[in-house]
Amino acid sequence: DAKTTQPNSMESNEEEPVHLPCNHSTISGTDYIHWYRQLPSQGPEYVIHGLTSNVNNRMASLAIAEDRKSSTLILHRATLRDAAVYYCILRDPRSQGNLIFGKGTKLSVKP
Amino acid sequence: KAGVTQTPRYLIKTRGQQVTLSCSPISGHRSVSWYQQTPGQGLQFLFEYFSETQRNKGNFPGRFSGRQFSNSRSEMNVSTLELGDSALYLCASSPGGGYGYTFGSGTRLTVV
Repeated sequence: DAKTTQPNSMESNEEEPVHLPCNHSTISGTDYIHWYRQLPSQGPEYVIHGLTSNVNNRMASLAIAEDRKSSTLILHRATLRDAAVYYCILRDPRSQGNLIFGKGTKLSVKP
Repeated sequence: KAGVTQTPRYLIKTRGQQVTLSCSPISGHRSVSWYQQTPGQGLQFLFEYFSETQRNKGNFPGRFSGRQFSNSRSEMNVSTLELGDSALYLCASSPGGGYGYTFGSGTRLTVV
């Protein structure tokens, strides 16, 4: 599976939108973009995934660049409970491989 | 529905001992994966089981082993514990199609 690059950390103010970037310039045509987050003292939690089109769910939105070499996870209104490490992961569902976690982005939310 | 259950939550063992950790996946999920998380190495894949068969294995020594039972519950075993095995061990279950991994809260193992 191709690798991803994320900033080590980001800060946000409560109730403001947050845009978490992820670069994946070597993405293949069959790689899905997955986002997980890990809150303190918990296991990772699935957030959202997509292939080409932008995706929305109750937790977040995923904006995928037209060339698919980058994507952005959007939290529309950050809350204190969104403070976590966010992981962007590429995965080809045909590979039956495991999730490969990078270092992720540590998001801090200030009240 | 119930989530992924890992037991025990915390464990302290002595160097040289062996340990067994347990994971009960979400009902209906046939895939169980195990990960080790340390501050230095982050989240690293150990192995995955699907329908009682090991499907993938990470780059860990043979002291780390696992198995899956017919009810999809899984156990991992670490023999001859070393101080460096101190970590959070996470289990994840999925239906098996490469989507929707659900993680447990982990077992915090401390080796002294």
